[in-house]
Formats: sequence, structure tokens, C-alpha cells
Amino acid sequence: DAGVTQSPTHLIKTRGQQVTLRCSPKSGHDTVSWYQQALGQGPQFIFQYYEEEERQRGNFPDRFSGHQFPNYSSELNVNALLLGDSALYLCASSHGPNSPLHFGNGTRLTVT
Amino acid sequence: GQQLNQSPQSMFIQEGEDVSMNCTSSSIFNTWLWYKQDPGEGPVLLIALYKAGELTSNGRLTAQFGITRKDSFLNISASIPSDVGIYFCAGVTSGTYKYIFGTGTRLKVLA
Repeated sequence: DAGVTQSPTHLIKTRGQQVTLRCSPKSGHDTVSWYQQALGQGPQFIFQYYEEEERQRGNFPDRFSGHQFPNYSSELNVNALLLGDSALYLCASSHGPNSPLHFGNGTRLTVT
Repeated sequence: GQQLNQSPQSMFIQEGEDVSMNCTSSSIFNTWLWYKQDPGEGPVLLIALYKAGELTSNGRLTAQFGITRKDSFLNISASIPSDVGIYFCAGVTSGTYKYIFGTGTRLKVLA
């Protein structure tokens, strides 16, 4: 039973560029949430996707956007990258919007 | 961003000792979760709590949903070296889908 898988594991981008991160949820899960984790901090909620719609959004600018596909996988897009966007981006899946989150191992994004 | 307060921030303990940590919020939550995160990995779900006063165990771990619904507690009994890591609490309020995470408790076990 595959857990949550994320790709790529590491990424280095230059300020101003755009990036796309990908997530496949755990088998049987239909909801995907994205979190940003800065070094030494707890994860911060970016947004959640359920039934291919963004259900709730955290305090992140419009440069952060996402998508959920019919097979429940999801993408996180970040435009016009800033140095401060450097972080671990975590994808979590759940069986429904309010159920406990199961996390992948994240994508480490470094913006130079 | 909003984060829950976790205490202590970090702790060194001897192998075999019991560990207690807690998490407090200014908001009432209807679900509390506890996670452990190892370096280079994502958080792993340890325990989920759904109602005030609930006490749930997972092996040597026991967590409680505070009766005020604004706090939660995690205890680890007879700690072992592999308990090393960062423990996070997370909570969600009714009507939202946004789990808010704590600041983390770093646990180091001395063999």
C-alpha cells in the first residue's frame, strides 16, 4: 500500500522563476492538502483540494496555486519565486476534508 | 502564520525515562493530532483524538484531548533512542479544513 508520494525530492530555482511540485495521495484518499515548512518551524497550511476544487486556503499570496486531477493527484505551482519561498513543501492526503492527514516526505525547494 | 504553543521546546532525557509534552491553543478544537518528524522526512501520524477528555494509546505513546478543548498532551513511556525526533501537535476547528500545527518539541534521548 503506497503512501503519499511527492516529486521531485529536491529542487533549486532562481528568484523570479516558476516551479511545479507534484503529489500522489495514499491509496483510498481523495483529499490533498499542501503545507509549507520553514526550517525549525511547524508546517503552515497553504490550501486543500477536494473533488478537484480548492476548498480552503491559508494565508499565502496568489503566486501559490494548485490543481487536483480526477485521479486525486495534485500539483502545487509557485510563480515569481522569492528567496523566502525556500522551504520544505509537504503534501498530505486524507479520506475526506476533515480526516487526519498523512504526509509525504516533501519537496525541498531552494531559491537562490 | 498561526501556530500552537508546544512545551517544552526541547528536552534531553535518559533512555528508559517517561516523557510528557503539551500543546495549547487560544481556540477550541474538535480534533487533535500528534505527529513525529525525523530529519529529511515528513511528519508521521501517531495518534488522533476526537472528543474532549479522550485518552488514546499507541504502544508506549498516550495522548489526551484536554477537557477545555484548548489543549492536548502526549506522554511517552520508557523512552528508547529511536524516540528521538520532533513531535508536533495539530488541531482543527469545526467548520474548517485547516489543521494548525504547533511549534514542535525536540526530543533527544541519551542512551
